[in-house]
Amino acid sequence: DADVTQTPRNRITKTGKRIMLECSQTKGHDRMYWYRQDPGLGLRLIYYSFDVKDINKGEISDGYSVSRQAQAKFSLSLESAIPNQTALYFCATSDSTDSYEQYFGPGTRLTVT
Amino acid sequence: AQTVTQSQPEMSVQEAETVTLSCTYDTSESDYYLFWYKQPPSRQMILVIRQEAYKQQNATENRFSVNFQKAAKSFSLKISDSQLGDAAMYFCAYRSMMRGQGNLIFGKGTKLSVKP
Repeated sequence: DADVTQTPRNRITKTGKRIMLECSQTKGHDRMYWYRQDPGLGLRLIYYSFDVKDINKGEISDGYSVSRQAQAKFSLSLESAIPNQTALYFCATSDSTDSYEQYFGPGTRLTVT
Repeated sequence: AQTVTQSQPEMSVQEAETVTLSCTYDTSESDYYLFWYKQPPSRQMILVIRQEAYKQQNATENRFSVNFQKAAKSFSLKISDSQLGDAAMYFCAYRSMMRGQGNLIFGKGTKLSVKP
């Protein structure tokens, strides 16, 4: 089984709808991240969390919110989706040491019409 | 703030040949990590190679190697004996070693095509 899972894998929604993307991990890591990928722009950080009570905004947090329900779960919400939030969304995890590696989920393709 | 620049949006290589992907970065820090990630059409992000800034020796992983020039803030990826399965997007990424800074900063990517 995958260490970092994301649901759904693909989603089409309408403008103005609320949508939640979920991320779960079995690696026992403290740190979790949400990134957004747009063609030609690479991946950009939306939010990150170093533990359940520590949540921080990233480079492009406007229009998004997050919830760290447990060490293993980190959800990303779009309160009122808009078409320019159409993108590929990745969740990633890492541990709290100086270990350098981040482990990525398979991504969620979100389309807002 | 740190930035990562990949100046080649697309590259092409003949199968079995060698190709080098460029990456430059800007930082005022002296300790950090650098990475190359591969993203095939499956869209999974796969770590290819990593380099710790305090190490002078260039990292190597099988057919993949880097040319790390700290003073020039350059971190290029060389792929030897290119294979069809190497076709993918490649992202260069930077990670600070400062406490509280665990996220990756990515370049915009280079799309590599491999011709048979």
